[in-house]
Amino acid sequence: DQQVKQNSPSLSVQEGRISILNCDYTNSMFDYFLWYKKYPAEGPTFLISISSIKDKNEDGRFTVFLNKSAKHLSLHIVPSQPGDSAVYFCAANGISNFGNEKLTFGTGTRLTIIP
Amino acid sequence: GAGVSQSPRYKVAKRGQDVALRCDPISGHVSLFWYQQALGQGPEFLTYFQNEAQLDKSGLPSDRFFAERPEGSVSTLKIQRTQQEDSAVYLCASSYGISYEQYFGPGTRLTVT
Repeated sequence: DQQVKQNSPSLSVQEGRISILNCDYTNSMFDYFLWYKKYPAEGPTFLISISSIKDKNEDGRFTVFLNKSAKHLSLHIVPSQPGDSAVYFCAANGISNFGNEKLTFGTGTRLTIIP
Repeated sequence: GAGVSQSPRYKVAKRGQDVALRCDPISGHVSLFWYQQALGQGPEFLTYFQNEAQLDKSGLPSDRFFAERPEGSVSTLKIQRTQQEDSAVYLCASSYGISYEQYFGPGTRLTVT
């Protein structure tokens, strides 16, 4: 079962406009959420995170919103820049049966910024 | 500073061969994770080390998969008798410990023919 879902495989946005990437989760035990950005042939790079006790976290052009009741989070990028073109993964952190942290990833959304 | 490195970057194996994938984590990072990323999917957790102790191997898909980190730094993921379904990118990540931020290596792309 897919506990973290990114239902949009791809998204195209004009340069300078807002990009909104969405993520849904099913496990209410997740306590921390992260967004990773991935360029081809590179590993994912941490972008921004949010604790489950908050509903918003902002870092420069990037803002993550969390709606716990809807089990939904979103990443806003404004203004979008060509260098933002990449695959974005939503990830949720929980505690495994063995007591360690464990990240569960979504399937990713490929963002293309059109100049 | 040096990030997480992995070698080889690409590996082609014939079905039935054994392979060994290496991960050099960031110096001083206590936690080390292995993930498998199939085409078009997100990374999926395989196993977790805290120093040299393998605390969670619940994600390893079969007993053909084996991971070790004998001295608490470099880790090796070994796959015995490779099958076509093992074809994927294998990612290694490390973190300082209690931090949630995992730093990923570039991955090893394994193709089994």
